Amino acid sequence: DAMVIQNPRYQVTQFGKPVTLSCSQTLNHNVMYWYQQKSSQAPKLLFHYYDKDFNNEADTPDNFQSRRPNTSFCFLDIRSPGLGDAAMYLCATSRAANYGYTFGSGTRLTVV
Amino acid sequence: GEDVEQSLFLSVREGDSSVINCTYTDSSSTYLYWYKQEPGAGLQLLTYIFSNMDMKQDQRLTVLLNKKDKHLSLRIADTQTGDSAIYFCASRSGAGSYQLTFGKGTKLSVIP
Repeated sequence: DAMVIQNPRYQVTQFGKPVTLSCSQTLNHNVMYWYQQKSSQAPKLLFHYYDKDFNNEADTPDNFQSRRPNTSFCFLDIRSPGLGDAAMYLCATSRAANYGYTFGSGTRLTVV
Repeated sequence: GEDVEQSLFLSVREGDSSVINCTYTDSSSTYLYWYKQEPGAGLQLLTYIFSNMDMKQDQRLTVLLNKKDKHLSLRIADTQTGDSAIYFCASRSGAGSYQLTFGKGTKLSVIP
């Protein structure tokens, strides 16, 4: 089945230690997104790629970076995780003109 | 900026209908969505409605849109224990906008 896969499901990292979360898709969608969802809050868009074009939200901290080496894969890099970065990170995809997103199952990041 | 509001909690008895309400502020919202999130999981698209529609029915789900009042609702008929989850309302502006703005989610609890 075509889908969006996030690895790992759970990630524990040390304060200040760089961490990378990965997302892959078999849907061949143009657009890939990273959302951050903290407990009991709405998902918040960090950035998205339209094909190779990177679009950063104005309030996304510089600590967060992303890479999209090809259509299928997208990575979220957190350069120096702080305790406040503990959250569920959701990857999603869409066609440019599609009516909705397809989300992955998320990676829950814990910072110790 | 865009704001999407939902009540945080709803409790219903199994077999009853559930109605989850949402209001949004962006009058240019062209697509409105309902997503379901089960504990520890990603977001699953349940249904969506275009802004030129006022109702959409899909099996047990009925979406009503009052564009004048910027009010969206999701009715779940014959609610089951498996419907217990958090339900997110989301809006998307028109052409060229890729961002979904989410509400904080309504936690639906179904009492057996």
